[in-house]
Amino acid sequence: QKEVEQDPGPLSVPEGAIVSLNCTYSNSAFQYFMWYRQYSRKGPELLMYTYSSGNKEDGRFTAQVDKSSKYISLFIRDSQPSDSATYLCAMARNDYKLSFGAGTTVTVRA
Amino acid sequence: GAVVSQHPSRVICKSGTSVKIECRSLDFQATTMFWYRQFPKQSLMLMATSNEGSKATYEQGVEKDKFLINHASLTLSTLTVTSAHPEDSSFYICSADREANTEAFFGQGTRLTVV
Repeated sequence: QKEVEQDPGPLSVPEGAIVSLNCTYSNSAFQYFMWYRQYSRKGPELLMYTYSSGNKEDGRFTAQVDKSSKYISLFIRDSQPSDSATYLCAMARNDYKLSFGAGTTVTVRA
Repeated sequence: GAVVSQHPSRVICKSGTSVKIECRSLDFQATTMFWYRQFPKQSLMLMATSNEGSKATYEQGVEKDKFLINHASLTLSTLTVTSAHPEDSSFYICSADREANTEAFFGQGTRLTVV
């Protein structure tokens, strides 16, 4: 069983829709949770970073962490075609080594 | 956000040659840098952890004699792929952590093609 599970998609939504992305994990030692966006042939770009259960909002992005269920989510409101990318969840223990999900490819249709 | 520069972005080399990839943190000091490998449509796989002034720590299954990592300063780490083979062709990405912070900032990646 992988430490971090993420549905690879692909996910296609119309412009303006809410995009919902999820990851589950099995290791309760994970303390830090991140979402990255990766465009084709580019390095990942940090979108959200959190270390506690609950919600964190940044513009159109909301990250949720539920440590009791070992479940994290990323919501993108009012999605735009420029949001089309692969989204990777990542998490780390205290050693700061990141474990990544497989990534979900999202396409926002104009 | 912090800027991490990775160079080159793309390289093609012949089998048997060596290729060096540089990773620089431009506006912060990075005590720790990480090197990842990413296969098409797959996630990033951690290869090694690089700490300034000490030997890199390699993940299981990664050949340290083939993937040489040097972290000579707080702003520069290099990955050298030695005696490259076609199966080494991949997308290599570095990341750098700010001190005492798990926010990892990634370089743009290097597409290596070995012919």
